[in-house]
Amino acid sequence: GAVVSQHPSWVICKSGTSVKIECRSLDFQATTMFWYRQFPKQSLMLMATSNEGSKATYEQGVEKDKFLINHASLTLSTLTVTSAHPEDSSFYICSATGTGMNTEAFFGQGTRLTVV
Amino acid sequence: AQSVTQPDIHITVSEGASLELRCNYSYGATPYLFWYVQSPGQGLQLLLKYFSGDTLVQGIKGFEAEFKRSQSSFNLRKPSVHWSDAAEYFCAVGPREDMRFGAGTRLTVKP
Repeated sequence: GAVVSQHPSWVICKSGTSVKIECRSLDFQATTMFWYRQFPKQSLMLMATSNEGSKATYEQGVEKDKFLINHASLTLSTLTVTSAHPEDSSFYICSATGTGMNTEAFFGQGTRLTVV
Repeated sequence: AQSVTQPDIHITVSEGASLELRCNYSYGATPYLFWYVQSPGQGLQLLLKYFSGDTLVQGIKGFEAEFKRSQSSFNLRKPSVHWSDAAEYFCAVGPREDMRFGAGTRLTVKP
């Protein structure tokens, strides 16, 4: 199956700094990528959808200035958490899909962000 | 808008016993349905999916699920649970552009 890789797997940052999370499709061209957030013992909540070369579409309630998403190539999307605060600590997961992949998206392994 | 309900937050079964995890969905058309498994601190692994055709779907690791339109259900089953099946299980309804996840069911396996 298609492989999606996230980096880093975990990151600790100081409050007020920014952190970037990468999501790469390793063996297919990802025309669309999705970013989710998962709080402990909770389900995944879609944050935003990004199409290659276009601005991301954010879900209601998600601050686009805080969670910057870039999808500049067909194999890479990045999520930058700007001016991170402890309440941004969470598990972030990306998924990706491409042309001809029916209706399935493939998930990365997730990134654990801890803001101290 | 589509939604997914997983009624059981936590299930405990003995190793070797059968398992059924419930999933009910709400969707306006023929749904795209998925079951994922998540180990602690890990991403999601697809167990199986249903788009159309045979309503009994076979997946990986010995799992299967049955789509029942009349009951709006897509329950996951396994005839004999292994200790390594302990994890969080998520049911999801598509399409991929607007995938909605259930709250998850945590499976504990007793020796």
